[in-house]
Amino acid sequence: GAVVSQHPSWVICKSGTSVKIECRSLDFQATTMFWYRQFPKQSLMLMATSNEGSKATYEQGVEKDKFLINHASLTLSTLTVTSAHPEDSSFYICSASAGVRANQPQHFGDGTRLSIL
Amino acid sequence: SQQGEEDPQALSIQEGENATMNCSYKTSINNLQWYRQNSGRGLVHLILIRSNEREKHSGRLRVTLDTSKKSSSLLITASRAADTASYFCATDLYFQGAQKLVFGQGTRLTINP
Repeated sequence: GAVVSQHPSWVICKSGTSVKIECRSLDFQATTMFWYRQFPKQSLMLMATSNEGSKATYEQGVEKDKFLINHASLTLSTLTVTSAHPEDSSFYICSASAGVRANQPQHFGDGTRLSIL
Repeated sequence: SQQGEEDPQALSIQEGENATMNCSYKTSINNLQWYRQNSGRGLVHLILIRSNEREKHSGRLRVTLDTSKKSSSLLITASRAADTASYFCATDLYFQGAQKLVFGQGTRLTINP
């Protein structure tokens, strides 16, 4: 149980393109989803937290207009990297949780490797 | 700021040996979790230890928590080649009513056959 599917797993696109990444909880309702960014050989950095039906909460330094997050249902959240540039190339990982109470685990997707040419 | 710091950054051992990784953190926690990440993949949850627990076991994994020293360790016994991965500790941080995980820098573990 607790499977999170992330799609696509790898995307290569030209500079200036907008890219959408989907994160789905397959067998549970995810009231909260998290989006992380990870550079090579580094840790995960939280970008934003999204709750179903409300606006995402972005971490300091993350551009809201650059990284659009939508969490329209209890099973789907999307991250859109708008007008992507080479510096946006990274590994993006989502996670989903059935709640935000203490000891509620986060279940992670397999990540999306984004390469901007 | 990054809460968890892990030590060592990289560890290479022979198959069958035990691997120990350490994690230190700075603020009070409700729980601490350990995750594994295979290269180019997402994170797999290994074990959660609550702040009122001192030790927890799961198969070949043993986690300890010392809240007085703000540190935790992950021991993998009888290591296997398939254990090769990066291991991250994560502490919970509550901010404005929401729980967030703060990850350590990770330990890259290599098991040599």
